[in-house]
Order: sequence, then C-alpha cells, then structure tokens
Amino acid sequence: AQTVTQSQPEMSVQEAETVTLSCTYDTSESDYYLFWYKQPPSRQMILVIRQEAYKQQNATENRFSVNFQKAAKSFSLKISDSQLGDAAMYFCAYKDYGQNFVFGPGTRLSVLP
Amino acid sequence: GAGVSQSPSNKVTEKGKDVELRCDPISGHTALYWYRQRLGQGLEFLIYFQGNSAPDKSGLPSDRFSAERTGESVSTLTIQRTQQEDSAVYLCASSYGKYTDTQYFGPGTRLTVL
Repeated sequence: AQTVTQSQPEMSVQEAETVTLSCTYDTSESDYYLFWYKQPPSRQMILVIRQEAYKQQNATENRFSVNFQKAAKSFSLKISDSQLGDAAMYFCAYKDYGQNFVFGPGTRLSVLP
Repeated sequence: GAGVSQSPSNKVTEKGKDVELRCDPISGHTALYWYRQRLGQGLEFLIYFQGNSAPDKSGLPSDRFSAERTGESVSTLTIQRTQQEDSAVYLCASSYGKYTDTQYFGPGTRLTVL
C-alpha cells in the first residue's frame, strides 16, 4: 500500500524568507500524481501545486515550487517570499492512476512577522 | 462555477443520536470522496463513489457509518448512534473522473458529539 510521510509536524519561517517542507512517499507504481494542499484555519483544502511523475521538470506556481526526486521518492515544497497568508497546514498527497488518494499527516507552517 | 458545498457547516449532537451530513459536488464531477479529519491530524479516507459503480467502502470505520449517492449528484454520509470519538471534521471532495487527478474539496462539516 502506498504511504506518504511528512517528517516535520511544525515549521516556522520569517516573513519574506524561504521555507522548504519535506515529503516522502512509498509506491511500487511508476506513474502517479503528487500534490501539495494547503488547509488554513477556515479548513478549506486548497490545491497549491501538482506534479505528474512522468514529468522530470519540477512544477512551479508563482512563489511555490517543488523538488521532485523520483528515484528517492521525495517531493518537497519550497515557499519563497513567505507571506502571513501562507500560514496553514500543508498536506502532501499521492494519487495513483486509479482511485487511491493518500494524504500525509501534515505540516503546520507558522509565518512570523 | 460553484465549488463543492457541504452542509451543515457545524453540527453538535448528543451521544447516541444519528446524524446526516450532505455534500454537493461540482456539477459534472463523477468521482466523490468522503474523508474524516480528527483534530490536528491528517485526512482519513472513508468512502469513494465513481459514477454508477459500486462504492469503495473500505475506509468506513464501523457499520455505524454509511453513505449514499444517487448518480453523480448529492451524497449523504450517515453516522448512526454517534460516539464521542466520531467528533471530527468530515470533508467531501469531488473530481472529474476516476482517472483524473485533482480533487476539489468542500469546506467540511465539523461534528461535535457531546
């Protein structure tokens, strides 16, 4: 069974600085999707970024980028120029080409003014 | 267009009562997921619907939990004889189809069992 691990329960970053959230996963599949979701206190899960495993190029969305290392099964999220609104729980998630969608336990990010 | 909606936003109930939670997926989305999120924890898969196929109920924690979905429309999650450990946020998500990737989440229902 696939698993997703986020080894950092909590992280903090100074406003305007850069922070990297870690995620590793385990799968025997060669094709799959990876995601980072953000959950602010409003509890609305928001898609931050997605990566298709067959693509070698790392996905980027404005201040958010990933470092996808397929062989190492690692999928870290880098947030540049952190803003107060980035404070939230961040969940790493894996989806195969079927219905299986697996979430990590989350990392709580605090942004310090 | 409209996103995924869930009702009620919050529900407080007494132990032993039954509750029904509702999810309205995005129009045209054939896949629908229910998750449970206990305080400070990650998402726990409960059940998955795909079109008119038999649902995947492998995540339901006990026979007190059940869910229905008519076609590709509204889904209801029912918890019978609620227990205090059922207190959690229940999240619903939909996606365009089984083989598509991105899920879109509703705002969740916070259930508190006294």
